Amino acid sequence: EAAVTQSPRNKVTVTGGNVTLSCRQTNSHNYMYWYRQDTGHGLRLIHYSYGAGNLQIGDVPDGYKATRTTQEDFFLLLELASPSQTSLYFCASSDWGLNYAEQFFGPGTRLTVL
Amino acid sequence: QQKVQQSPESLIVPEGAMTSLNCTFSDSASQYFAWYRQHSGKAPKALMSIFSNGEKEEGRFTIHLNKASLHFSLHIRDSQPSDSALYLCAVAHVGDNSKLIWGLGTSLVVNP
Repeated sequence: EAAVTQSPRNKVTVTGGNVTLSCRQTNSHNYMYWYRQDTGHGLRLIHYSYGAGNLQIGDVPDGYKATRTTQEDFFLLLELASPSQTSLYFCASSDWGLNYAEQFFGPGTRLTVL
Repeated sequence: QQKVQQSPESLIVPEGAMTSLNCTFSDSASQYFAWYRQHSGKAPKALMSIFSNGEKEEGRFTIHLNKASLHFSLHIRDSQPSDSALYLCAVAHVGDNSKLIWGLGTSLVVNP
């Protein structure tokens, strides 16, 4: 029973297209994150949230919007997709405390923008 | 902004070898230090973490933290081909709006 799921797993769109990536977690975690992973750049944080209705700007937010509708669901929106957004996208969830901070990742969505 | 750097970028070792991976960070107030492993085509998964100076061992894996030197490491004893993966180190200051700062990764190949 995967605790973080993502959909779709693969997506191809054209330049200028609209894309929504979905993430759901069943860990009861407060924090959720969207990352992109590209060769040579590692994991880069796009947006994150610490609860429903909350949104925090990450390190590479340009061209991306995000929305956290419930504790479980976090969405990443690309409203005018560009080829530079071709990447592998991961969602993760976590909580933070004195002795715990592990992030749990979803399986990833591979996005291609033609 | 915290900087996290890993070395080496890539490593090839024979099966049975001891493997050592390194991570340096810049914020001495950091509180969480972790290694994540990512097999090809898969998601990163936490391998080991530590919150205070010293060493922790779990099976073939040992994590060592020296906050004064702004350095922590992962040691893999008796490396196996199944250990071949991308190893990512991550650092965080635990608090409000917490987020992990990631290194770029070390690609490890263990040859049988």
